[in-house]
Amino acid sequence: KAGVTQTPRYLIKTRGQQVTLSCSPISGHRSVSWYQQTPGQGLQFLFEYFSETQRNKGNFPGRFSGRQFSNSRSEMNVSTLELGDSALYLCASSPTGGADYGYTFGSGTRLTVV
Amino acid sequence: QKEVEQNSGPLSVPEGAIASLNCTYSDRVSQSFFWYRQYSGKSPELIMSIYSNGDKEDGRFTAQLNKASQYVSLLIRDSQPSDSATYLCAVSNDYKLSFGAGTTVTVRA
Repeated sequence: KAGVTQTPRYLIKTRGQQVTLSCSPISGHRSVSWYQQTPGQGLQFLFEYFSETQRNKGNFPGRFSGRQFSNSRSEMNVSTLELGDSALYLCASSPTGGADYGYTFGSGTRLTVV
Repeated sequence: QKEVEQNSGPLSVPEGAIASLNCTYSDRVSQSFFWYRQYSGKSPELIMSIYSNGDKEDGRFTAQLNKASQYVSLLIRDSQPSDSATYLCAVSNDYKLSFGAGTTVTVRA
């Protein structure tokens, strides 16, 4: 059974650019979440989607957005990149995203903003 | 107050010993609790989940939950060098996981 697939694995962008990251969940999983991991802040929740609906959003500026497609694949977008956006972006999937299931993480996308 | 707090570590234990990791959480209505292991340069891997008070054992890992004290712990018995990693405590609420800062464990051969 394939795991959570994130593309690309690495990205280097310039300040002011925008970036789109992609996530394919485990087959049958309908909940997709995104997290940002940095050495200083640890793992922080960005947003969660289920059946194309955002059910929760973390405390990030509006430059961070996401969406989910009907096949449960998800993308997140960061516009007007800042140096502080350099981080590991992790996608996690779950059957329903409810309290009874853990989340399985993908390998992440390492974003470097220069 | 942070939502999830872990003993900061780092924690160094000899091979074969028990490693004890602790976590407290602030939201009393939390129902689901998880321990993730993260090797350097890798993504978090789910190793334990616990939902009710008491102990849950899986191989060399035992998770303990005390909702009245808002406390979760993880014991690693017979620690092996391959257990050297950062262990993250996570609490689930409203379709999101809140993570502690992690405890780095080093198992000395």
